[in-house]
Amino acid sequence: ETGVTQTPRHLVMGMTNKKSLKCEQHLGHNAMYWYKQSAKKPLELMFVYNFKEQTENNSVPSRFSPECPNSSHLFLHLHTLQPEDSALYLCASSMGLARDTQYFGPGTRLTVL
Amino acid sequence: GEDVEQSLFLSVREGDSSVINCTYTDSSSTYLYWYKQEPGAGLQLLTYIFSNMDMKQDQRLTVLLNKKDKHLSLRIADTQTGDSAIYFCAEKEGGSQGNLIFGKGTKLSVKP
Repeated sequence: ETGVTQTPRHLVMGMTNKKSLKCEQHLGHNAMYWYKQSAKKPLELMFVYNFKEQTENNSVPSRFSPECPNSSHLFLHLHTLQPEDSALYLCASSMGLARDTQYFGPGTRLTVL
Repeated sequence: GEDVEQSLFLSVREGDSSVINCTYTDSSSTYLYWYKQEPGAGLQLLTYIFSNMDMKQDQRLTVLLNKKDKHLSLRIADTQTGDSAIYFCAEKEGGSQGNLIFGKGTKLSVKP
């Protein structure tokens, strides 16, 4: 247990569905991250939030929409996804940005049919 | 852009030492990390080293950093079957944002 939880752990959705991924951290951290892990590719940073403000959007398509209502919760809203969006989506948190270690959740395995 | 390279596979016998190597390109990296990922799980932080250190030991794990060559290694002593996993090297970029740049991961297989 790293103190970062993600739900659901597995998700299968059609291309026309709308779904949301949830991440919660119990570490008192201020920064939260979404990463995409695809087979045979390095982890790709998608979004960074620090004190609920988005500080990085790594050229992510608009069909992925993040939301950070407070420092403990991070959502990734999904709509009209493509099959190539199937991947493991990992959430992480850290105390701050520059010097602090990131702790990861278990991930949500997403399959888009 | 910054890049982190690792070999994709390593196979060792139980009880032997494993050495996983990594090279990176960002000379302003502040910290370098090793994460472990078991099947179906997220990334577990194993250890990290600050860029002004050249060695860090933590029980069975030894991290060596050659900053001149931008080379990082993770040595696992007395490797066990439970060490079978994918090991990711990551560098933390310099600057205020400090994003992590990951390698593709090295799959360690431990044979009994």
